Amino acid sequence: ILNVEQSPQSLHVQEGDSTNFTCSFPSSNFYALHWYRWETAKSPEALFVMTLNGDEKKKGRISATLNTKEGYSYLYIKGSQPEDSATYLCAFQTGANNLFFGTGTRLTVIP
Amino acid sequence: DGGITQSPKYLFRKEGQNVTLSCEQNLNHDAMYWYRQDPGQGLRLIYYSQIVNDFQKGDIAEGYSVSREKKESFPLTVTSAQKNPTAFYLCASSMMPSGYRETQYFGPGTRLLVL
Repeated sequence: ILNVEQSPQSLHVQEGDSTNFTCSFPSSNFYALHWYRWETAKSPEALFVMTLNGDEKKKGRISATLNTKEGYSYLYIKGSQPEDSATYLCAFQTGANNLFFGTGTRLTVIP
Repeated sequence: DGGITQSPKYLFRKEGQNVTLSCEQNLNHDAMYWYRQDPGQGLRLIYYSQIVNDFQKGDIAEGYSVSREKKESFPLTVTSAQKNPTAFYLCASSMMPSGYRETQYFGPGTRLLVL
């Protein structure tokens, strides 16, 4: 089982603040990197699938970058809103079907 | 509405009992997956299926069994051989089978508790 680490484990930000968190993964055998948002009592929801070194993806106020050579991805949230409160998961894919998930970053946005 | 349904939401298992968790999808996806979540750990793959009547073990398959008789259904049985079954179980599906960078779509999960 591969080691995928996410930091911080949790954070609290004020509404309107921008924030970012990190996903670290092995730099070898990279196939794809997935980001998911998981709100309490709901199903995890896909945000991005990133495949190329240097990829940048954006969805509304959320964006992500990818560095496969050094094995990390950043997720950014601009102007956090209470509805952004969720756990953000990253998953490293080596090929075939297998996704290796991190433990997530739990974000709480305080109104 | 297209999506993945899991039932029941909560399931209680007695010692020595086999229990089955249901997962149904109406997305017409080929591949389906079962994951387990334990506190402080990432989701771990139990079994996956790329096509009807075929399935593969994931990282933690011991004590579990699956079937894939229909494209839309992928039930998971937690057998009495699984000594620590208390966990949250998530089912997922993706459009294409292996070799593709496909998004996986998740159900709402089933929480299994041991009495």
